[in-house]
Amino acid sequence: DIQMTQSPSSLSASVGDRVTITCRASQSISFYLNWYQQTAGKAPKLLIYAASSLQSGVPSRFSGSGSGTDFTLTISSLQPEDFATYYCHQSYSTPYTFGQGTKLEIK
Amino acid sequence: QVQLQESGPGLVKPSETLSLTCTVSGGSITNYYWSWIRQSPGKGLEWIGYIYYSGSTNYNPSLKSRVTISVDTSKNQFSLKLSSVTAADTAVYSCARGAVGSGRYYEFDYWGQGTLVTVSS
Repeated sequence: DIQMTQSPSSLSASVGDRVTITCRASQSISFYLNWYQQTAGKAPKLLIYAASSLQSGVPSRFSGSGSGTDFTLTISSLQPEDFATYYCHQSYSTPYTFGQGTKLEIK
Repeated sequence: QVQLQESGPGLVKPSETLSLTCTVSGGSITNYYWSWIRQSPGKGLEWIGYIYYSGSTNYNPSLKSRVTISVDTSKNQFSLKLSSVTAADTAVYSCARGAVGSGRYYEFDYWGQGTLVTVSS
């Protein structure tokens, strides 16, 4: 199985901050990397697919980059609704796997 | 707008079979991959398996011996059966659509809200 490792596991930031979350795959996954946002009690919401493509309806302050084994999710200017947990997910090969999550909290 | 809704028992006894159905509305079940994913505090997000609308399946090897996913295109539904459950199978189970084609790469673009299934006697 491909292991996905996110860092940090948790992060405190303020509204307006720029934040970056990283995800590393245990082997190359090309650009088959997706990012989701999950708020308490809700299903994950797709933000970024294919490493850098913005899902329709997602604000442009979210961006993704990377290829191979190293990827980043950047939020350019944090808004109150962005405080949530973020997961990366590889769809390169089955079994599909997820990172352990990064909890973004208000400082 | 595509919507997915899980249904099924919220409590299952140990050694019995967990059965859930996902109903897809607002779009067709054809031409997509449909997955089951579970989430528990101890194991995070775990992909269980998918079914293509044609009926072909792919299961997580860690669960393969106990999992069956089926599809009913006439009802726009797909289902999960997980046999011989234990307390370790207690989790929130979600269904999700895997996007394909036109620059899409199996990401999960629509999810159900999830349903908590507890395994307990």
